[in-house]
Amino acid sequence: DAGVIQSPRHEVTEMGQEVTLRCKPISGHNSLFWYRQTMMRGLELLIYFNNNVPIDDSGMPEDRFSAKMPNASFSTLKIQPSEPRDSAVYFCASLAQNTEAFFGQGTRLTVV
Amino acid sequence: AQSVTQLGSHVSVSEGALVLLRCNYSSSVPPYLFWYVQYPNQGLQLLLKYTSAATLVKGINGFEAEFKKSETSFHLTKPSAHMSDAAEYFCAVMAGYSTLTFGKGTMLLVSP
Repeated sequence: DAGVIQSPRHEVTEMGQEVTLRCKPISGHNSLFWYRQTMMRGLELLIYFNNNVPIDDSGMPEDRFSAKMPNASFSTLKIQPSEPRDSAVYFCASLAQNTEAFFGQGTRLTVV
Repeated sequence: AQSVTQLGSHVSVSEGALVLLRCNYSSSVPPYLFWYVQYPNQGLQLLLKYTSAATLVKGINGFEAEFKKSETSFHLTKPSAHMSDAAEYFCAVMAGYSTLTFGKGTMLLVSP
C-alpha cells in the first residue's frame, strides 16, 4: 500500500479564496483524522471520522471549515473563505481498529 | 476525556548520552499509548506503541518506553543518542474507541 496520500503537498492562495485539501486513506482503515499543525498550537485535531461518519468535529475552528468523507477511500477538508491565520500544515491520518495511526506527508497551506 | 502532557518543549543531549523524553497521560479508561517522531517537512512516523500487553515496549531505532499506570507515565528512552535522532517527538493517547490526542511535542537536539 502507498500509505496515506494527501494532495496537494503545498498550496498558496489569496485571502478569501476557497481551498480544498484531499486525503486518500490506507485501504481497509475505518477511521480518519484531520489535524492542523502550527508552531504556536502544535498538533490540533480538527475532525475524526469512523466508517465515513463524522464522530467528533469539535476541533473545527469555525464555520469556514468543513470536511467530508463520501466514501471509505476519500476525504476532503475545505476552507471557505480562507484567511491568513489558516496558514499551517494540515495532516490526514488513518487507522484500522486497534492499530496505530498512519500519517500522510501533509499539505502546507499558505494564505497571503 | 483524555489528555497528554509532555514535559519540556526542547531537550538537548550530547551524542552518545541517554535520551529521556517525558510523557504523562490522563484517561478515564485503559489507554493505548504511542510515541511518534517527526523529521522536518515530513509526516509523523510511529516509533512504538503500548496496547495493554507488555509494559516495556521496544520500538524502532533503539527507542523504548515503559508504561507505568501508577504514575500515568509513558516516558521514551534511548541509551545512546545519535545525531540522526534529532527530530520532534510526540506522545499520543487513545482511550477506548475515541480520538487520538497528541501532546505538544518535544524537540530533541543532539550535539556532537
